[in-house]
Amino acid sequence: LAKTTQPISMDSYEGQEVNITCSHNNIATNDYITWYQQFPSQGPRFIIQGYKTKVTNEVASLFIPADRKSSTLSLPRVSLSDTAVYYCLVFDQTGANNLFFGTGTRLTVIP
Amino acid sequence: DTEVTQTPKHLVMGMTNKKSLKCEQHMGHRAMYWYKQKAKKPPELMFVYSYEKLSINESVPSRFSPECPNSSLLNLHLHALQPEDSALYLCASSPTGGLTQPQHFGDGTRLSIL
Repeated sequence: LAKTTQPISMDSYEGQEVNITCSHNNIATNDYITWYQQFPSQGPRFIIQGYKTKVTNEVASLFIPADRKSSTLSLPRVSLSDTAVYYCLVFDQTGANNLFFGTGTRLTVIP
Repeated sequence: DTEVTQTPKHLVMGMTNKKSLKCEQHMGHRAMYWYKQKAKKPPELMFVYSYEKLSINESVPSRFSPECPNSSLLNLHLHALQPEDSALYLCASSPTGGLTQPQHFGDGTRLSIL
């Protein structure tokens, strides 16, 4: 099965911009890339979704290159409350019904 | 606060017990999902119901039996589980069955098998 991979962990100081990349080499042609945030003992929470180029909402931006084999979640000016695990979610086209979360990136924001 | 409610929050059961996990949403969503999440791992898709019909079963062992009584409710019936089935079980919903539509997750049931 194809893998959806992310850096295991990242540290950032408060107020900095954080970029988290997800690699998804076998993403399905016509499906979206979605990012979620998960705090301990909670379910994932939707952050942002995109198909190509750039998407921005009130909390994040998502950058997707033309080949769509990766995506980058950008969090502007992080705060301590952004400390969480971040997952990308894609539909893999190499098999039937393969909906994969990425390996997850544990972001720690430092005061 | 979550719009997807899962009960119970915690469950401890023996390997010979039968129990059920429950999930409820009132957002009018027509797709509902069960995921299994082990510690420090991403959620893994188990089942998808679309318009109350099972549309995806990711080769889950038969000791897990899903049920969708109506469009707002999703159950996961458990029987003869193994210690390795201890995990956080997450329920989610989305407006329709498009698998990469944004999903709304509950906060899960933490299951421990003795």
